[in-house]
Amino acid sequence: EAQVTQNPRYLITVTGKKLTVTCSQNMNHEYMSWYRQDPGLGLRQIYYSMNVEVTDKGDVPEGYKVSRKEKRNFPLILESPSPNQTSLYFCASSLGGSQLYGYTFGSGTRLTVV
Amino acid sequence: AQTVTQSQPEMSVQEAETVTLSCTYDTSESDYYLFWYKQPPSRQMILVIRQEAYKQQNATENRFSVNFQKAAKSFSLKISDSQLGDAAMYFCAYRSALSGANSKLTFGKGITLSVRP
Repeated sequence: EAQVTQNPRYLITVTGKKLTVTCSQNMNHEYMSWYRQDPGLGLRQIYYSMNVEVTDKGDVPEGYKVSRKEKRNFPLILESPSPNQTSLYFCASSLGGSQLYGYTFGSGTRLTVV
Repeated sequence: AQTVTQSQPEMSVQEAETVTLSCTYDTSESDYYLFWYKQPPSRQMILVIRQEAYKQQNATENRFSVNFQKAAKSFSLKISDSQLGDAAMYFCAYRSALSGANSKLTFGKGITLSVRP
């Protein structure tokens, strides 16, 4: 089944404790992206990657890191989480860059930083 | 930068009736794509319908259709014969068609649709 797999689904952590949210897709998509969803703000892009070893900042990159060492994986790293990073996070992937493709989304990670 | 506006935070519809969700956007580009996504309580993001800006014809997917007005930069979603399973948050989204550009989706803030039995 074509899908984007995100883990964990829920995570509660303490301020300053490094964490990684994993994302993997099995569709050979070039493009991958991370979003955060907050009430009243919709979804905002954190980082994106257009291919292996090519990553760039989205609209709200502060406090996050990403890497794209393999085409299928695109982990999101919070080196020193803070309470304002409490949010719902989505990983998504897509074929190509300029074509009429929607994204395939992961099932989301609910992160709480206390 | 592109922006997407969904001005109604909540709407309600009677089961079997028709409802229209509004969306406007702002862009200086002439070629782009527009999407509606559904997010039920399971929080999964589900693509409902998509529209290519250079196509005049409005997209339709079963009970879902759009009214795309390019000059007005409006992209509303019509749900016909509403069902209880349509209750969800709906997001309107924009994506540039420029080659090589960041293919990000720019989302509106979403609208919560409730369906009354």
